[in-house]
Amino acid sequence: AQSVTQLGSHVSVSEGALVLLRCNYSSSVPPYLFWYVQYPNQGLQLLLKYTSAATLVKGINGFEAEFKKSETSFHLTKPSAHMSDAAEYFCAVSPNTNAGKSTFGDGTTLTVKP
Amino acid sequence: DAGVIQSPRHEVTEMGQEVTLRCKPISGHDYLFWYRQTMMRGLELLIYFNNNVPIDDSGMPEDRFSAKMPNASFSTLKIQPSEPRDSAVYFCASSRHHNSPLHFGNGTRLTVT
Repeated sequence: AQSVTQLGSHVSVSEGALVLLRCNYSSSVPPYLFWYVQYPNQGLQLLLKYTSAATLVKGINGFEAEFKKSETSFHLTKPSAHMSDAAEYFCAVSPNTNAGKSTFGDGTTLTVKP
Repeated sequence: DAGVIQSPRHEVTEMGQEVTLRCKPISGHDYLFWYRQTMMRGLELLIYFNNNVPIDDSGMPEDRFSAKMPNASFSTLKIQPSEPRDSAVYFCASSRHHNSPLHFGNGTRLTVT
């Protein structure tokens, strides 16, 4: 069994400020973890993924996430927010086994203020 | 790579009518997923296929919903009869393996009046 909790359905930051979007997971087997971004009227796009290699994962658009097994977390960060980062962000977990499927969090809407 | 292609982008229909949504996955991807997204319920997995075979349809709301994948390059999601509560954005996604990243289409926005 697996689940994902995204803390905070809405996050607002000023342009240039740090972005921190929180994701905690539970999984009965070693997980693969993903962050996706969804812009208005579009499907989800992969930002980055963790698949049991390096715990600090770098993705597109300057985002990165760190896998912390002890905290069961996979928080998404970006040092300096840009107006174009305004979107909805989804964390997802998949089992690192031969079967199963991704489970998505409820999403966090990021607003960037000028 | 054209990505996952969904049609139509928008569909407006009257209650009781049949609706068919279409999806062409990325070539070489063995898994195909149908999701529904609403403000109230977020992103819900309806059904997924592996090598054209339905694996898990536990998310399909009721018998009015059906999905098929007659070949590796095409899938349909049908609602018959449609109801206003079916109004949502329906996404198709595909992946190479069950735990690979998903590639989403741009969705079909369905409005049932």
